[in-house]
Amino acid sequence: SQTIHQWPATLVQPVGSPLSLECTVEGTSNPNLYWYRQAAGRGLQLLFYSIGIDQISSEVPQNLSASRPQDRQFILSSKKLLLSDSGFYLCAWNRAGRNTEAFFGQGTRLTVV
Amino acid sequence: GENVEQHPSTLSVQEGDSAVIKCTYSDSASNYFPWYKQELGKRPQLIIDIRSNVGEKKDQRIAVTLNKTAKHFSLHITETQPEDSAVYFCAATKGSYIPTFGRGTSLIVHP
Repeated sequence: SQTIHQWPATLVQPVGSPLSLECTVEGTSNPNLYWYRQAAGRGLQLLFYSIGIDQISSEVPQNLSASRPQDRQFILSSKKLLLSDSGFYLCAWNRAGRNTEAFFGQGTRLTVV
Repeated sequence: GENVEQHPSTLSVQEGDSAVIKCTYSDSASNYFPWYKQELGKRPQLIIDIRSNVGEKKDQRIAVTLNKTAKHFSLHITETQPEDSAVYFCAATKGSYIPTFGRGTSLIVHP
């Protein structure tokens, strides 16, 4: 069966510090991978998506970047965090080439102080 | 790109009542419509989905309807229970396989 791991679960970082959130998927190959942010409201804002290694698209210009160094690994990074980067970050995957449900990681609660 | 509108943003019902959440989408090419439930502090999880070749689907107390002509789909929860309290998201997906989510509905079921 497929599983998705996302870590850390919570993170408190000072303004100006770097960020690295990691997500890995097991039990499947060539997944579509996504990073979403959920701010104080409820909406799921798509930040990045990737349909393959080194194929990453950004949906919203911002202080963040994403990388996919391996087929099932997706990393969200920032060189210098802003207060506005605080939120709940969710990694997700779904099957490439098929219109099916997305599976979410447990999420990372990021607080920038 | 696809745009998904979801209403209401908050829905408060008494235990045992029905709850209906409505979504509209803009891209007629969208053909897969999942619904996710997110409990407080947890990840969204799929509760039901429908494809464009089907008008209605039911799973126990949960049902989803789709009107392709109107580009409208709805989630119906009957006999609501306090454990149904959560945020519900609709989504629309087409050939790009990237789901576009609605803004979410906070459902509160009062005992």
